[in-house]
Amino acid sequence: GQQLNQSPQSMFIQEGEDVSMNCTSSSIFNTWLWYKQDPGEGPVLLIALYKAGELTSNGRLTAQFGITRKDSFLNISASIPSDVGIYFCAGQGEGYSTLTFGKGTMLLVSP
Amino acid sequence: NAGVTQTPKFQVLKTGQSMTLQCAQDMNHEYMSWYRQDPGMGLRLIHYSVGAGITDQGEVPNGYNVSRSTTEDFPLRLLSAAPSQTSVYFCASSETYGTEAFFGQGTRLTVV
Repeated sequence: GQQLNQSPQSMFIQEGEDVSMNCTSSSIFNTWLWYKQDPGEGPVLLIALYKAGELTSNGRLTAQFGITRKDSFLNISASIPSDVGIYFCAGQGEGYSTLTFGKGTMLLVSP
Repeated sequence: NAGVTQTPKFQVLKTGQSMTLQCAQDMNHEYMSWYRQDPGMGLRLIHYSVGAGITDQGEVPNGYNVSRSTTEDFPLRLLSAAPSQTSVYFCASSETYGTEAFFGQGTRLTVV
């Protein structure tokens, strides 16, 4: 099946820093989604991307659908303690395929 | 709207016991799915359904059964629980295949 490589696995940063994480695939994806999971909760959708090259923002979050359709990144600007959690990328490949999830990036923010 | 509701939130089973994890959504979504989340493994698809009466296997279906008799409900059955099924289980729904999925809060299952 399709696989997504998400990096980094974890990040420990200071409050106020910017954060960048990305996902890559060996195959083409038609949709990229970014989720955040708070401890003890289910993943919550942050940003959805549907076109190659698309750049979308949601507050301090910005995500892009790579031109090659094989990658996507998520940036968080001016991080705050409530940004702590696990961030997942997910993608849908060509045809009627199910979503594939990356293994997640754990973000820790020090006040 | 409640979104996606999962019950129970926590469950402890003995090896060999069976149980059903419940999932209901009130968004009239056609597509529903079950995932398990294990440390370092991300979310792995167990089973999914593209509509009432239609189900299919995901990446890790062994030991689990599903059925979809209504649009709203998509229960996951563990036939004979094993310690390897200790995990956090998430149900999700979306309008169609591969579009934005909405997740429930999860069921934390321990098999002893």
